[in-house]
Amino acid sequence: GQQVMQIPQYQHVQEGEDFTTYCNSSTTLSNIQWYKQRPGGHPVFLIQLVKSGEVEKQKRLTFQFGEAKKNSSLHITATQTTDVGTYFCAEGGNKLVFGAGTILRVKS
Amino acid sequence: GAVVSQHPSWVICKSGTSVKIECRSLDFQATTMFWYRQFPKQSLMLMATSNEGSKATYEQGVEKDKFLINHASLTLSTLTVTSAHPEDSSFYICSASVRQGSNQPQHFGDGTRLSIL
Repeated sequence: GQQVMQIPQYQHVQEGEDFTTYCNSSTTLSNIQWYKQRPGGHPVFLIQLVKSGEVEKQKRLTFQFGEAKKNSSLHITATQTTDVGTYFCAEGGNKLVFGAGTILRVKS
Repeated sequence: GAVVSQHPSWVICKSGTSVKIECRSLDFQATTMFWYRQFPKQSLMLMATSNEGSKATYEQGVEKDKFLINHASLTLSTLTVTSAHPEDSSFYICSASVRQGSNQPQHFGDGTRLSIL
């Protein structure tokens, strides 16, 4: 089945630094969804991207969907300690296929 | 809106015990719910798709006789881990979407941490 590769696996940043996680697929994605899971918590839906080249912003978070709909990224500007957690991309369909996730740690 | 409640949050029990986990959609109806398993620092692995009024659809490698799923109403799905053993210890999470059909965002329950001694 469809596989979504996500990198990096882990990133540790200083508070105020930027952070980016990337998802890639070898085939065209119908859509991409992003979720955040706080330590000890459950995944929370952030956004869904559907259109080629789509860019969406949520405060300090910027989500992009590639022109070929084979890759996506989540960028956080000026990280804060509240941003810690694991960020997952997932391809939506009849069922979600999750990427491996990127664990973000923020040093204050 | 779109709240999914999962119970219990924690279970610690002896090997050989069967454990039932409930997943409820509190403010919407869900003909389909999903059950995932997550090991520490790993991604969510879909175990099965729970369908209201019909049999669940299990992912490859998931034993249907081990993980019994019942979706008896539009707001409740249950996962029973039968004769649980230490290797079944994990974080189990359910999800549901408000709208039916594919490509829908999922709302997750709080998860159940299962520890088998």
